[in-house]
Amino acid sequence: DAGVTQSPTHLIKTRGQHVTLRCSPISGHKSVSWYQQVLGQGPQFIFQYYEKEERGRGNFPDRFSARQFPNYSSELNVNALLLGDSALYLCASSLEEGDLNTEAFFGQGTRLTVV
Amino acid sequence: AQSVTQPDIHITVSEGASLELRCNYSYGATPYLFWYVQSPGQGLQLLLKYFSGDTLVQGIKGFEAEFKRSQSSFNLRKPSVHWSDAAEYFCAVVKNSGGGADGLTFGKGTHLIIQP
Repeated sequence: DAGVTQSPTHLIKTRGQHVTLRCSPISGHKSVSWYQQVLGQGPQFIFQYYEKEERGRGNFPDRFSARQFPNYSSELNVNALLLGDSALYLCASSLEEGDLNTEAFFGQGTRLTVV
Repeated sequence: AQSVTQPDIHITVSEGASLELRCNYSYGATPYLFWYVQSPGQGLQLLLKYFSGDTLVQGIKGFEAEFKRSQSSFNLRKPSVHWSDAAEYFCAVVKNSGGGADGLTFGKGTHLIIQP
């Protein structure tokens, strides 16, 4: 079975641009969460979605937004990119909302470089 | 707000030697506790977790961790490390309601180096 898949694996953007990152959860999983991992740091929570609704949000500016689709895949959007947005963006999925932090499976991430 | 401290940024251990990685958390109640491992360029893999009950938990790849409430600690151990254990290790916590609102809170990680 396929695990959590994220695309693209790497990308380079220019300051001020916007970016869309994509995540496909494990088949049957309904919950998705997003984390930002800056080099040398632990992941930081950005969003959690369940059944297409936002269930939680971390301390990130409004430039960050996300959505979940009927097939439970998800997109993370970042507008007006800053150099500090350069990071590994991780997606995690779980079966149900209550499982999201207790049985989460992570993808390999998207490496975003802002120049 | 909850927080996680991993006091050791780097640890170097000889292959075959024992390992202990430290983790301390700050939280009003006993949270759910996790250890994850991240190999270079990879996502996070769950090693083990503690929710309640027996304070010594066994995980994958021969790892174990012990929850000590009095010390607010959840240290990771392995009796004999292998070269393939070289990676970044993250301790994480979440409030024990199990709900998704807060997400996982991670420490900054400990980079494990294995000497031959």
